[in-house]
Amino acid sequence: DTGVSQNPRHKITKRGQNVTFRCDPISEHNRLYWYRQTLGQGPEFLTYFQNEAQLEKSRLLSDRFSAERPKGSFSTLEIQRTEQGDSAMYLCASSAGSGAYEQYFGPGTRLTVT
Amino acid sequence: DAKTTQPPSMDCAEGRAANLPCNHSTISGNEYVYWYRQIHSQGPQYIIHGLKNNETNEMASLIITEDRKSSTLILPHATLRDTAVYYCIVRVWGGGNTNAGKSTFGDGTTLTVKP
Repeated sequence: DTGVSQNPRHKITKRGQNVTFRCDPISEHNRLYWYRQTLGQGPEFLTYFQNEAQLEKSRLLSDRFSAERPKGSFSTLEIQRTEQGDSAMYLCASSAGSGAYEQYFGPGTRLTVT
Repeated sequence: DAKTTQPPSMDCAEGRAANLPCNHSTISGNEYVYWYRQIHSQGPQYIIHGLKNNETNEMASLIITEDRKSSTLILPHATLRDTAVYYCIVRVWGGGNTNAGKSTFGDGTTLTVKP
């Protein structure tokens, strides 16, 4: 399967713990995006990378959130000191670059903070 | 990015055409219209996009009005597997714009295809 993959698919954690999610984009895609989706809502943009450079971060991305894409390939999203309000689906997408290229989404990581 | 407005829900009979409208009255000249759909518990799936001309692919057709202020996604022969939330978004074409590419999703239209 050459699509976008995300791990883990589900994560249950206790409030206050740190969690890290991984996204592997489609090979050769130089843009990678993170979104968050809560129940009944559309995905909300969090941040995106072009190669290893993080070009934009949403105001939704508090200082407890950090994302990296160290070699311009896979990316990680870390949430420190999780709160119940962080419970959501975290989606990753990649695209071939600038231009009208469509974004391909992964299956998401479902986070539940208890 | 321009905001879009979609009806919250629609029903369609299996085998019939599903026509999903989207209003994007504040769209800018360099913004494309994209459609995605999301089947329960999966990531959004790209369907089609267009700038000003009508577009067709193996999944759907996209009709954009001449003033570009609205569009319609057409699923010509809806099946039960087309039941999903459909999102219409507009976003800037990239080119040299490093801020292009992020998608601003609304709440979409829940399409229910009934047998």
